[in-house]
Amino acid sequence: NAGVTQTPKFQVLKTGQSMTLQCAQDMNHNSMYWYRQDPGMGLRLIYYSASEGTTDKGEVPNGYNVSRLNKREFSLRLESAAPSQTSVYFCASSESSGGAHEQFFGPGTRLTVL
Amino acid sequence: QQPVQSPQAVILREGEDAVINCSSSKALYSVHWYRQKHGEAPIFLMILLKGGEQKGHDKISASFNEKKQQSSLYLTASQLSYSGTYFCGTEILGGAQKLVFGQGTRLTINP
Repeated sequence: NAGVTQTPKFQVLKTGQSMTLQCAQDMNHNSMYWYRQDPGMGLRLIYYSASEGTTDKGEVPNGYNVSRLNKREFSLRLESAAPSQTSVYFCASSESSGGAHEQFFGPGTRLTVL
Repeated sequence: QQPVQSPQAVILREGEDAVINCSSSKALYSVHWYRQKHGEAPIFLMILLKGGEQKGHDKISASFNEKKQQSSLYLTASQLSYSGTYFCGTEILGGAQKLVFGQGTRLTINP
């Protein structure tokens, strides 16, 4: 089992460019999440998908869109990147949404926007 | 709504004990604890679901005080491998089914 995988691992963008971060899990989990992590800020939820076919906003959704492509895959899109979106992005999954289930994190994507 | 962790940073010598606290302004359904090494993904440590519940494995344990809306993580006889940043994640009672993470506590263990 690979667990949660993310691509790419590193990315540099210019302001205004767009890109999609990919995430996949092979644990048959129902729920998936996108977080961003900035120094001293902890993990902040961008969007999550409680189950296939549903998505909901988290704490910091502005400037992002998501797609739950199927049960395995959950992508995050930046339509017009801004320097404020420079961060480390983590995808996570859990058996079900809510606090009763541990979350498994991917290795992260380190994004720099110039 | 973000839980508050204290202290922000701790420096210990190997073998010493540490306590990390996580406090919420709202009633909680659950508290998660994760550890993250530099440049790596967070790794799950434990979940506490009931008020007063205590869990642990090896020399790391945690408690959940429902009335005080807080959880504490206890690291006993710390080892070098315990170094990293510890995060609590909380789910509000009756709220949306998602976690909100604290800002983290950086733990450094020196030989």
